[in-house]
Amino acid sequence: DPKIIQKPKYLVAVTGSEKILICEQYLGHNAMYWYRQSAKKPLEFMFSYSYQKLMDNQTASSRFQPQSSKKNHLDLQITALKPDDSATYFCASSQAPSYNQDTQYFGPGTRLLVL
Amino acid sequence: GDSVTQMQGQVTLSEDDFLFINCTYSTTWYPTLFWYVQYPGEGPQLLLKVTTANNKGISRGFEATYDKGTTSFHLQKASVQESDSAVYYCVLGDSGSWQLIFGSGTQLTVMP
Repeated sequence: DPKIIQKPKYLVAVTGSEKILICEQYLGHNAMYWYRQSAKKPLEFMFSYSYQKLMDNQTASSRFQPQSSKKNHLDLQITALKPDDSATYFCASSQAPSYNQDTQYFGPGTRLLVL
Repeated sequence: GDSVTQMQGQVTLSEDDFLFINCTYSTTWYPTLFWYVQYPGEGPQLLLKVTTANNKGISRGFEATYDKGTTSFHLQKASVQESDSAVYYCVLGDSGSWQLIFGSGTQLTVMP
């Protein structure tokens, strides 16, 4: 059974619209993260959450807002979508928020295309 | 800032060839280093992890050694198989922040 679920797998949106990317982890982890992988670029860190609190935000734009309704959920709301937001978005989790000594486990990703 | 450099964008080998992927890193801290592997349509998955406490990691026939002197963390495997075809990422886990810093990745293609 998949331990990190991301929904949907594929998403097509129009410029200016808003979408929510869903992430749930069933690993019992306390820290969750979002990364983005754009075409021809390495994965880029976006956010980290620990015990449902924001720990680090490396996303310049306020159009990206993580939302944590439960300890094992970390959704990503993206508003005013732009074509440059087209990418695959990966959710990850780790056992404890120990400043990166912990292994992060990644979900399968949501591929977003903005037209 | 912290960074990871993988110069080889693509590597093509035949089965049973020796694999060597270069990785160098730059940081002011003492990082944990990882190699992640990504198969098509999937998220990255951990291949091996090395901390400052142990200099070498071995997993599934892959091996990486942490060299603080040359700030390198090369990945090698004695004999690759077609199933090893994937993208390999050298990753820096900086002890001073929450993020993983990924290299640009090396696409390994193993021909049968």
